[in-house]
Amino acid sequence: AQSVTQPDIHITVSEGASLELRCNYSYGATPYLFWYVQSPGQGLQLLLKYFSGDTLVQGIKGFEAEFKRSQSSFNLRKPSVHWSDAAEYFCAVGAISGGSYIPTFGRGTSLIVHP
Amino acid sequence: DAGVTQSPTHLIKTRGQQVTLRCSPKSGHDTVSWYQQALGQGPQFIFQYYEEEERQRGNFPDRFSGHQFPNYSSELNVNALLLGDSALYLCASSLEGGSPLHFGNGTRLTVT
Repeated sequence: AQSVTQPDIHITVSEGASLELRCNYSYGATPYLFWYVQSPGQGLQLLLKYFSGDTLVQGIKGFEAEFKRSQSSFNLRKPSVHWSDAAEYFCAVGAISGGSYIPTFGRGTSLIVHP
Repeated sequence: DAGVTQSPTHLIKTRGQQVTLRCSPKSGHDTVSWYQQALGQGPQFIFQYYEEEERQRGNFPDRFSGHQFPNYSSELNVNALLLGDSALYLCASSLEGGSPLHFGNGTRLTVT
């Protein structure tokens, strides 16, 4: 069974500082990997996805993530955090099953941004 | 282009009651998935509908059931509500063949 671990429940950074959110996954084959962001009272918005090819993927809002097969990781990064980035971030792993994805989500990392 | 819309946004029910939540998928999408997100947790997969049939199901009891209509919209029904069913229920739509999920803003269900 696939699973995702996000080891940090909370991360606090200062505005303008760099950010890295950790994600480790467990999956038997090459996974499809996702990062979603959730603002308070909102649904989840897709930041970026990895299906195959270049292991460094670019997403929206200046985010990027790197797939490292040897470490079973898919960490999310941003060089300079903005106050509006404060939100809950979810990593997910999924595979095609019956013709569509069934992503499994981690428990999330709450990002707090200090001015 | 309307995204995924869910109704109602908030709902308060009493233990033992039944509830129906509704979802309209993003235009052009034909697959609907439902997730339960408890406070402080990640979304947990309930089930997925495609061509009006339940295609995949997560580890949820039979009290949770659903339906997909010919226009691809969907309903989630929960019977005999328990306090533990209090959560944010998220609907997500996608295209058959593996496009990423697009989520609605969810329905916040409170069971008292």
